[in-house]
Amino acid sequence: AQSVTQLDSQVPVFEEAPVELRCNYSSSVSVYLFWYVQYPNQGLQLLLKYLSGSTLVKGINGFEAEFNKSQTSFHLRKPSVHISDTAEYFCAVSDLSYGGSQGNLIFGKGTKLSVKP
Amino acid sequence: DTEVTQTPKHLVMGMTNKKSLKCEQHMGHRAMYWYKQKAKKPPELMFVYSYEKLSINESVPSRFSPECPNSSLLNLHLHALQPEDSALYLCASSYRDTDNSPLHFGNGTRLTVT
Repeated sequence: AQSVTQLDSQVPVFEEAPVELRCNYSSSVSVYLFWYVQYPNQGLQLLLKYLSGSTLVKGINGFEAEFNKSQTSFHLRKPSVHISDTAEYFCAVSDLSYGGSQGNLIFGKGTKLSVKP
Repeated sequence: DTEVTQTPKHLVMGMTNKKSLKCEQHMGHRAMYWYKQKAKKPPELMFVYSYEKLSINESVPSRFSPECPNSSLLNLHLHALQPEDSALYLCASSYRDTDNSPLHFGNGTRLTVT
């Protein structure tokens, strides 16, 4: 069975500082990994995804994530955050082996990023 | 702006009411989803429709009844809800439910059951 662990429920950071949001997963098969962002009073928006290929994935709004198979991690990073990055961030994993469905997407519990001036 | 439109944005209903949530997308996606999200929690899958057929029902109580009239529309009919059903209800769509295409979410309906 798959699972996703987001190690930090809250991450406060000052504007223009770097940030890393941590995500670890467990799965017995190859997985696809996603980061979604949820701004207040909105739905979720895809930041980036890892399906295969280069382990460094670049997404929208200056975010990037690195897939590390040996450490089963998919940490999200941004070198300099803005006030507008304040939001909830969800890491998610899916197994799209034969018969799989995106309905099987497993979300982590989320990390609240608070950017302070 | 989101390409998945949900109405209404807010809904307050009593436990004896019948109401419906609506979701619409015009991206040609053939998979549509209902999620329930409680405060400070991740979304929980309720239903998946693939090519207008219900493909996943995550053991949701019968007081929630989904309907997919066509490939662009998804409804969630509500009847005899309980206060604990108060939550943000999110609709999402994707190109297919068996490929790598990302989910596109609407902004949700904030439901309060009194």
